[in-house]
Amino acid sequence: DIQMTQSPSFLSASVGDRVTINCKASQNINKYLNWYQQKLGEAPKRLIYNTNNLQTGIPSRFSGSGSGTDYTLTISSLQPEDFATYFCLQHNSFPLTFGSGTKLEIK
Amino acid sequence: EVQLVETGGGLVQPGRSLKLSCVASGFTFNNYWMSWTRQAPGKGLEWVASITNSGGSTYYPDSVKGRFTISRDNAQNTLYLQMNSLRSEDTATYYCTREGAYWGQGTLVTVSS
Repeated sequence: DIQMTQSPSFLSASVGDRVTINCKASQNINKYLNWYQQKLGEAPKRLIYNTNNLQTGIPSRFSGSGSGTDYTLTISSLQPEDFATYFCLQHNSFPLTFGSGTKLEIK
Repeated sequence: EVQLVETGGGLVQPGRSLKLSCVASGFTFNNYWMSWTRQAPGKGLEWVASITNSGGSTYYPDSVKGRFTISRDNAQNTLYLQMNSLRSEDTATYYCTREGAYWGQGTLVTVSS
């Protein structure tokens, strides 16, 4: 099984900050990596698919990068509505596996 | 507009069964793989099952293999999850997803005596 190690678990930042969240796979996942945002009481929402493709309707301040085993979600300028929990998902092979999540909080 | 509506959750005793349903609309259901993903209270996300668009192949993690069965009725635009031999650790909100891109609102399953 592919393990996804997501970091950091918690992140405190201010509106306007640039933040990065990382996911490291235990083996090459060939860029089959999605990023999700989840707000309290809501279903996850896909932000980025296949490493760097922005989901329709998602603001361009969100971007993704990476290859092989290392992947990054970047939010270029934090907005108040971005404070949430973020998860990565590898869909290169079964079983599909998620990162443990990053809770982004207001400083 | 893509909509996925899950039903069937509730309180069930350990060892018993429950069947979840997900009605899809707003897209051609039989063109897409479908999946179930769950989230225990206050925890992360765990993939539970996937099924090909025809229903001919299914996939499960070891944690539910042999106890859960994913199926679909393409004529009724409905996805199912039959859950048998339920355990307390199966307590979670269960989400229906279309290839990870669209998610339903979830249905809560609580396994407790």
